[in-house]
Amino acid sequence: NAGVTQTPKFQVLKTGQSMTLQCAQDMNHNSMYWYRQDPGMGLRLIYYSASEGTTDKGEVPNGYNVSRLNKREFSLRLESAAPSQTSVYFCASRRGQGTTEAFFGQGTRLTVV
Amino acid sequence: DQQVKQNSPSLSVQEGRISILNCDYTNSMFDYFLWYKKYPAEGPTFLISISSIKDKNEDGRFTVFLNKSAKHLSLHIVPSQPGDSAVYFCAASPPSGTYKYIFGTGTRLKVLA
Repeated sequence: NAGVTQTPKFQVLKTGQSMTLQCAQDMNHNSMYWYRQDPGMGLRLIYYSASEGTTDKGEVPNGYNVSRLNKREFSLRLESAAPSQTSVYFCASRRGQGTTEAFFGQGTRLTVV
Repeated sequence: DQQVKQNSPSLSVQEGRISILNCDYTNSMFDYFLWYKKYPAEGPTFLISISSIKDKNEDGRFTVFLNKSAKHLSLHIVPSQPGDSAVYFCAASPPSGTYKYIFGTGTRLKVLA
């Protein structure tokens, strides 16, 4: 059972470079999410996709774009990386809304120098 | 504005004793609450949840209590085991029809053998 798979696991970028974080889930879930985790800040929602074909901003969307490529895949793009985007990024999926729990990937540790 | 707060960044407990992790929220419209556990270099995993229509939910060694009037929930782990050492996040779900969890900042639990 793969669950939620994120690639890459680690990445170092120079300021101004771009990259895409990939996420795929094999649980046939409708909703997918991108969070970032920073010390003392908990998990903050960047973007989410309630269903295939829809995306919405979360708490901290600035500097990011997302694509819900199909039901399985939800990517996060940094167009011009900044040191403030140094963080651990988690992708998650849920079957639907309301009371269902989320399943998380193992995370991508991104450092922007 | 932190809608979900975990005011204790860390907690140490002796093996076999009770661990109590606390979480406060500000929005009375939250109707579902969850606890997640996170080990280093892994994504968070779902632990236990509670609906706002209940005041207690139990699953083995884990019990979550909800006090709606105080806007407070707590996670009790009895007895605590060294394998419980992890970061614990509480999360709140806005009313049905939305898709966003709001996470707290996390509490690092260390269970001492």
